[in-house]
Amino acid sequence: QSALTQPPSASGSPGQSVTISCTGTSSDVGGYNYVSWYQQHPGKAPKVMIYEVSKRPSGVPDRFFGSKSGNTASLTVSGLQAEDEADYYCSSYAGSNNHVFGTGTKVTVL
Amino acid sequence: EVQLVESGGGLVQPGGSLRLSCVASGFTFGSYWMSWVRQAPGKGLEWVASIKQDGTEEYYVDSVRGRFTISRDNAAYSLSLQINSLRAEDTAMYYCARYRTGSTVDFDYWGQGTLVTVSS
Repeated sequence: QSALTQPPSASGSPGQSVTISCTGTSSDVGGYNYVSWYQQHPGKAPKVMIYEVSKRPSGVPDRFFGSKSGNTASLTVSGLQAEDEADYYCSSYAGSNNHVFGTGTKVTVL
Repeated sequence: EVQLVESGGGLVQPGGSLRLSCVASGFTFGSYWMSWVRQAPGKGLEWVASIKQDGTEEYYVDSVRGRFTISRDNAAYSLSLQINSLRAEDTAMYYCARYRTGSTVDFDYWGQGTLVTVSS
């Protein structure tokens, strides 16, 4: 199972928006509405920000928005804040009880 | 408060074995699917294995099937990963993760990880 493709980096100034893409295939992203997004600060464990494409766990700001079109999912962070600077990973169910993560995107707040 | 605390990592020679453990607290452990996810140094996340609430179903990524075994002891609130025939490419931080309630596709809590280094 190949990793989902994400851009290595993305950046924006405070208050701006940044969108991260996550491209898979019809066997994972395109085949199921089970895309999740994780935020990971250096040296820390990942934290779920979005699940089932667009649902936010309690406590996650509504500045984080998830969507999907075809084989590509996206995470948009609006109103960028300094604490949003982190690595972000998408993940998708890939059938037969398999999961696949994305390659990861480093978000920099300029 | 949900807590997952991993242990058991360390430096091991190629071909060696380790047993990783994860002790859970703050929730009814036996009610959740659990998983191990790893992250090689400077690399992305990789799902490794998952186990059903009662331990009757186990799933593995192809690269570890036959070498790794996931297990659980619900009475002890403990998750384990027996890793055998270790290779250099198994070097990674290994995280214990809980699936979200009713889900087998995404994780809501993660431990801080235990580092496995495979080197001669």
